Amino acid sequence: SSELTQPVSVSVALGQTANISCDGDNIRSTNVHWYQKKPGQAPVLVIFRDKYRPSGIPERFSGSNSGKTATLTIARAQAGDEADYYCQVGDITTFCVFGGGTKVTVL
Amino acid sequence: EVQLVESGGDLVQPGGSVRLSCATSGFPFSSYAMNWVRQAPGKRLEWVSEIGGRDGSTNYADSVKGRYTISRDNSKNTVSLEMNSLRADDTAIYYCAKDRYTGRPGRVFDYWGQGTLVAVSS
Repeated sequence: SSELTQPVSVSVALGQTANISCDGDNIRSTNVHWYQKKPGQAPVLVIFRDKYRPSGIPERFSGSNSGKTATLTIARAQAGDEADYYCQVGDITTFCVFGGGTKVTVL
Repeated sequence: EVQLVESGGDLVQPGGSVRLSCATSGFPFSSYAMNWVRQAPGKRLEWVSEIGGRDGSTNYADSVKGRYTISRDNSKNTVSLEMNSLRADDTAIYYCAKDRYTGRPGRVFDYWGQGTLVAVSS
């Protein structure tokens, strides 16, 4: 089964770029999805199938998947981007796996 | 507009039961798999269960298998989660989530409800 490892926290200066990694043994051979989760709110899908943005998600959010690492990139970070971010994959044995989550702080 | 609204969360004693419901609107409900995902206090998101659209096939996380039952009523556009033999570590906010793709579950969740709290404590 898949295990996804994310950094516990990432800090980024206002207006700069944040990169959030998601490591897993089989990650290159699967599709990775990313969710933004703010306290007291429902999760929001921000990237699906590695690099695609749902409608309504700013172009500042992008994704990539290579080797053993998938990456969510937040360009020109804003205060409103402060949240926990989770990567997720579908898995043939465990059906659905989430990473541990990364808390993004905008300084 | 797609809407998902959960209900049924409660304070329950260990060993007790609770039934959650999720009322949906704004999309052809029977065409999409539906899921329950939970988040315990201070913990990561955890997928709980899924049910297929038309065929109603079900899957469960190992942590809830044999204790939880997911079901759907395509005539009422609702999905439910029957939770039995509850334990303290089942305490969480439970979210209803819609699959992005029609047909077989794609396990990408494009719409979520606001969640309902289940607290298991004596």
